[in-house]
Amino acid sequence: TQLLEQSPQFLSIQEGENLTVYCNSSSVFSSLQWYRQEPGEGPVLLVTVVTGGEVKKLKRLTFQFGDARKDSSLHITAAQPGDTGLYLCAGGSQGGKLIFGQGTELSVKP
Amino acid sequence: GAVVSQHPSWVICKSGTSVKIECRSLDFQATTMFWYRQFPKQSLMLMATSNEGSKATYEQGVEKDKFLINHASLTLSTLTVTSAHPEDSSFYICSAEQGATNEKLFFGSGTQLSVL
Repeated sequence: TQLLEQSPQFLSIQEGENLTVYCNSSSVFSSLQWYRQEPGEGPVLLVTVVTGGEVKKLKRLTFQFGDARKDSSLHITAAQPGDTGLYLCAGGSQGGKLIFGQGTELSVKP
Repeated sequence: GAVVSQHPSWVICKSGTSVKIECRSLDFQATTMFWYRQFPKQSLMLMATSNEGSKATYEQGVEKDKFLINHASLTLSTLTVTSAHPEDSSFYICSAEQGATNEKLFFGSGTQLSVL
């Protein structure tokens, strides 16, 4: 069974601080995706990484896929209150399924 | 990006009644759709994979007779929660796959079900 361990599960920081969320597995994934979800809404895709060692940047967000395609990280620089939300990593599995991590509830206080 | 519409956004029902949730891909055809359940501040749990024109594939522990899935067209999948009970109260989310890769999954906005 493929599992994704996401950490930390809760994170409360002040505006302007940096943070990193980790997603780890013992399994290899064909791709890994990061989502952001706000209360009462569906997840919104932020990025998909498919190549081992790949780094993608989305404004203040930096996503990295491990060389072995078993882990990934999301780094946010100078967090803002608008970054508050639930961040989910998800690994691509066979049959089109996505295996989700436990999620990271981020709160950025002004 | 592609749009997936989920309806209703929220529903309140009495215990013992059935509730149908619709998931539509508005601007693309989706052979495969997925249904998830989510508890507050927790991650998404895959319930079943809905395949157009065939029976859904359910994850271990999900009752097939309780959560009926129908995927009669390439743009519509429905989830019916039969004989709902308070423990079925949850946030249900669908996603639709564009093409044959899970790299292009688009999510609906979710349905909050409250069973009294």
